[in-house]
Amino acid sequence: GEDVEQSLFLSVREGDSSVINCTYTDSSSTYLYWYKQEPGAGLQLLTYIFSNMDMKQDQRLTVLLNKKDKHLSLRIADTQTGDSAIYFCAESNIPGGGADGLTFGKGTHLIIQP
Amino acid sequence: NAGVTQTPKFRVLKTGQSMTLLCAQDMNHEYMYWYRQDPGMGLRLIHYSVGEGTTAKGEVPDGYNVSRLKKQNFLLGLESAAPSQTSVYFCASSSPDRGLFEQYFGPGTRLTVT
Repeated sequence: GEDVEQSLFLSVREGDSSVINCTYTDSSSTYLYWYKQEPGAGLQLLTYIFSNMDMKQDQRLTVLLNKKDKHLSLRIADTQTGDSAIYFCAESNIPGGGADGLTFGKGTHLIIQP
Repeated sequence: NAGVTQTPKFRVLKTGQSMTLLCAQDMNHEYMYWYRQDPGMGLRLIHYSVGEGTTAKGEVPDGYNVSRLKKQNFLLGLESAAPSQTSVYFCASSSPDRGLFEQYFGPGTRLTVT
């Protein structure tokens, strides 16, 4: 079945760049997402990328996709304390996850050191 | 718009008790989902619905039932709660129309079964 893997923790200093990595196994994955979950809250979509793209940039966020290696990364420039959260990678072969939802990774806890 | 709301926010049940979690969305979305989130496990899909009156099983449906009598509501029922159902439950909704690529999540319900 489909699988999405992420490391569980990432610790960075405030002001540095954070790079969160994700690998997936489903070669038919067409839509790849990054969701952010702040403590005690639900998930919010940060950004997404189509499988026919290599890179997408949105302000401090840069998403890189290596389709050959099935590797996705999220780079957060100038990491701030407000970026402290759990970041979930998710994939689907249908926009928005379609009828049967998204396949999520286990989430990466981003810890910001002052 | 309130988006996706869930009630209750917290609940403690004893083993064998039953309860219903309510999800409501005011975005006229066709698709609705119930996920559970457990430490180190990410989000796993329990059941989903592609429209009023229709439901389907997700990845971990055992021990749960759902109903979608109205388009805006998606109910998750536990007939006989077990400690293994201690989790945080998230409802989400999305629409297949207009090229939307986002699942909108509720704030979650934290359930403890003792």
